[in-house]
Amino acid sequence: GDSVTQMEGPVTLSEEAFLTINCTYTATGYPSLFWYVQYPGEGLQLLLKATKADDKGSNKGFEATYRKETTSFHLEKGSVQVSDSAVYFCALDTGRRALTFGSGTRLQVQP
Amino acid sequence: SAVISQKPSRDICQRGTSLTIQCQVDSQVTMMFWYRQQPGQSLTLIATANQGSEATYESGFVIDKFPISRPNLTFSTLTVSNMSPEDSSIYLCSVELAGYNEQFFGPGTRLTVL
Repeated sequence: GDSVTQMEGPVTLSEEAFLTINCTYTATGYPSLFWYVQYPGEGLQLLLKATKADDKGSNKGFEATYRKETTSFHLEKGSVQVSDSAVYFCALDTGRRALTFGSGTRLQVQP
Repeated sequence: SAVISQKPSRDICQRGTSLTIQCQVDSQVTMMFWYRQQPGQSLTLIATANQGSEATYESGFVIDKFPISRPNLTFSTLTVSNMSPEDSSIYLCSVELAGYNEQFFGPGTRLTVL
């Protein structure tokens, strides 16, 4: 079946460091890929998405590129801030329009 | 986007009782889903709520335990029946809105079963 694998956390970085959170997937067909973020005490929010191979999703300085050849959708940010501390979830939709989520990666950014 | 509200926002319940969670949306909805997020875990899809018909359940979830209703396009309920401590989770509804190719999530209902 469909699945999403994320790197385990927590990931602890200093402010202005470079961030990469790895995400790989297994799915039939050509899924749409998403990154969701859950800030402390808040609900789940869509961060960015990509719907086909080689698409790059971007938002708030975060980027992820849909790599079909490596079945990956790694999340990157060039310079993290304390306010980026949150749990990040990679997810996919194979067209069922219901999401399959990865296990989540907690990011802690220290001043 | 839309305003998605869930009631209650949290509850503490006794083993063996049932709790009904409501989800209301203020926009045109094409799809509605219910997810569970167990403590420290990711989100798992429980079911797709179908308007006017039985919900479509994922493997491991059954109607007797998680009955779902969706009497109209913008409202749905999820009942957690005969609860046990293992049902302690955050329950979230999500919707796909007309014209959007993404899902929006409600704030969640945090359930603790003693």
